[in-house]
Amino acid sequence: QKEVEQDPGPLSVPEGAIVSLNCTYSNSAFQYFMWYRQYSRKGPELLMYTYSSGNKEDGRFTAQVDKSSKYISLFIRDSQPSDSATYLCAPHPGGTSYGKLTFGQGTILTVHP
Amino acid sequence: GAGVSQSPRYKVAKRGQDVALRCDPISGHVSLFWYQQALGQGPEFLTYFQNEAQLDKSGLPSDRFFAERPEGSVSTLKIQRTQQEDSAVYLCASSPAMSEQFFGPGTRLTVL
Repeated sequence: QKEVEQDPGPLSVPEGAIVSLNCTYSNSAFQYFMWYRQYSRKGPELLMYTYSSGNKEDGRFTAQVDKSSKYISLFIRDSQPSDSATYLCAPHPGGTSYGKLTFGQGTILTVHP
Repeated sequence: GAGVSQSPRYKVAKRGQDVALRCDPISGHVSLFWYQQALGQGPEFLTYFQNEAQLDKSGLPSDRFFAERPEGSVSTLKIQRTQQEDSAVYLCASSPAMSEQFFGPGTRLTVL
């Protein structure tokens, strides 16, 4: 079993839809939970991150973490064609760790105009 | 300012050839990471440098893979005697110490 599991999709939605992207993880040491966005032929870029359990909102994006069930979610409201990309979750232990990231498989999202 | 750059962007190699992939990190970034991203997968960690010191190479898949960062800036990932399973995108990321990683666009390696 991989340390981080993510439904690869692909996910196809109409413009304006609410999108839900999810990951599960197995390592209880993870404390920080990152979401990266990767456009085609580009490197990943950090979208947002949360610390421990709870919600964090940034514009149309909401990240949610439930450490008790080891479940991570990213919600996108009012999705736009420009949101079409691969979304990667990357939980991280934080603390004294130097930053090595463990990524999920990535979910391919397409938003149709 | 300039981001992380990688060269070449695309590389085609015949099986058995040696290849060298270059990463130019953001100026002043102490940390440098290499990741391998197979088709349809998330990036997987290969190795980590802090300045010129290679502190973790636990992700390198075999002794055919070698990375260096001799002056604490530019890094090179070398793959000897390439195999078809080495075909992937190789991503480089740099960061100030203990902070967000900034990724380059990657080098897409195809081994025929």
